[in-house]
Amino acid sequence: AQSVTQPDIHITVSEGASLELRCNYSYGATPYLFWYVQSPGQGLQLLLKYFSGDTLVQGIKGFEAEFKRSQSSFNLRKPSVHWSDAAEYFCAGNNQGGKLIFGQGTELSVKP
Amino acid sequence: DAGVTQSPTHLIKTRGQQVTLRCSPKSGHDTVSWYQQALGQGPQFIFQYYEEEERQRGNFPDRFSGHQFPNYSSELNVNALLLGDSALYLCASSSDGYTQYFGPGTRLTVL
Repeated sequence: AQSVTQPDIHITVSEGASLELRCNYSYGATPYLFWYVQSPGQGLQLLLKYFSGDTLVQGIKGFEAEFKRSQSSFNLRKPSVHWSDAAEYFCAGNNQGGKLIFGQGTELSVKP
Repeated sequence: DAGVTQSPTHLIKTRGQQVTLRCSPKSGHDTVSWYQQALGQGPQFIFQYYEEEERQRGNFPDRFSGHQFPNYSSELNVNALLLGDSALYLCASSSDGYTQYFGPGTRLTVL
């Protein structure tokens, strides 16, 4: 069955520190991959996407993600976290032009 | 350029009632998808509409139905509400069928 897994439910980092959020996927073929961010009670904002080509993709708000086929991973990174980055982050996959399959999310807390 | 809009923002219903949620897609988008997000969970796909037809459906009962209008806006209808239907309902629109942009959601509480 197709699935997306985010192994970390909750991560805490200090402001200014680097961040990496993990995402693994299980699909028959490589899906299109996305990272979204959600603030409490809000909708989801698209941070970045990977369809094909360069395996390092740049997104908004200083985020980037690296696609690794050998590890079935699509990890999200940011070199220096700001307090405003505290939110829930979702990884998602799509290979049928319709249904997005989401991971369970990783809640990010930022320490001052 | 307006993003995806949804109405209402919040809604309180009682068990057994029916509810209709509305969504207007981003300008230029012709595909609308609906998701249910329970508290503490990732969104779950309900269905997708394209050219006024339901193109794909997730594992939701027939109590969940939808419609897409010629202007690409969409409605989600839920009949015979259950307590378990309490959730954030998200609408997403797309122009390429893959990249989906989400609205702010409608928070439904069933008492």
